[in-house]
Amino acid sequence: DTAVSQTPKYLVTQMGNDKSIKCEQNLGHDTMYWYKQDSKKFLKIMFSYNNKELIINETVPNRFSPKSPDKAHLNLHINSLELGDSAVYFCASSQESSGGATNTGELFFGEGSRLTVL
Amino acid sequence: GQNIDQPTEMTATEGAIVQINCTYQTSGFNGLFWYQQHAGEAPTFLSYNVLDGLEEKGRFSSFLSRSKGYSYLLLKELQMKDSASYLCAVLDSNYQLIWGAGTKLIIKP
Repeated sequence: DTAVSQTPKYLVTQMGNDKSIKCEQNLGHDTMYWYKQDSKKFLKIMFSYNNKELIINETVPNRFSPKSPDKAHLNLHINSLELGDSAVYFCASSQESSGGATNTGELFFGEGSRLTVL
Repeated sequence: GQNIDQPTEMTATEGAIVQINCTYQTSGFNGLFWYQQHAGEAPTFLSYNVLDGLEEKGRFSSFLSRSKGYSYLLLKELQMKDSASYLCAVLDSNYQLIWGAGTKLIIKP
């Protein structure tokens, strides 16, 4: 069984559209994250959810909205897509709620969702 | 500002040893991580250092010097499958992970 799974893996869409990426983890972790990795390969945290509460919200446009129906799921909804939104979006989870990783350092990543905005 | 620096790309020969350096300037320090990321795949955890010194795990070792704001990842007996990007990340005083851009390691036969 995949520990952190996200869908879709590939998404191609037109500017101005609205799209969602789903993420699920079966590790029983308390915290889930959304990261954006752009063409320069920097991983930038977008959101973090701990027990369904938003605990990190970096300077991300409000067109991006995370939704967590339960602690095993964290979905990312994007409104009015722009060209600059093209990137790979990674979902991740960790046991601790300490912002980015556990004391053992293990963030578990999903396989990524490559979004291309035309 | 917060900054993580690591070389963009390195090349090494199969069977050899390579050292990937990482220097950091962050607001506080709660540990440094190394992750491996193969092209088109998710990052996977390699190591975590919070105290000075060398941590060894099989063919991979990671070193930390907090006073120098410096770490390196040492890969021994290189294999072709080690071709990947290696990401350095620091947990700052707010427990936020600050990521470097990664070092692309190319292994040649």
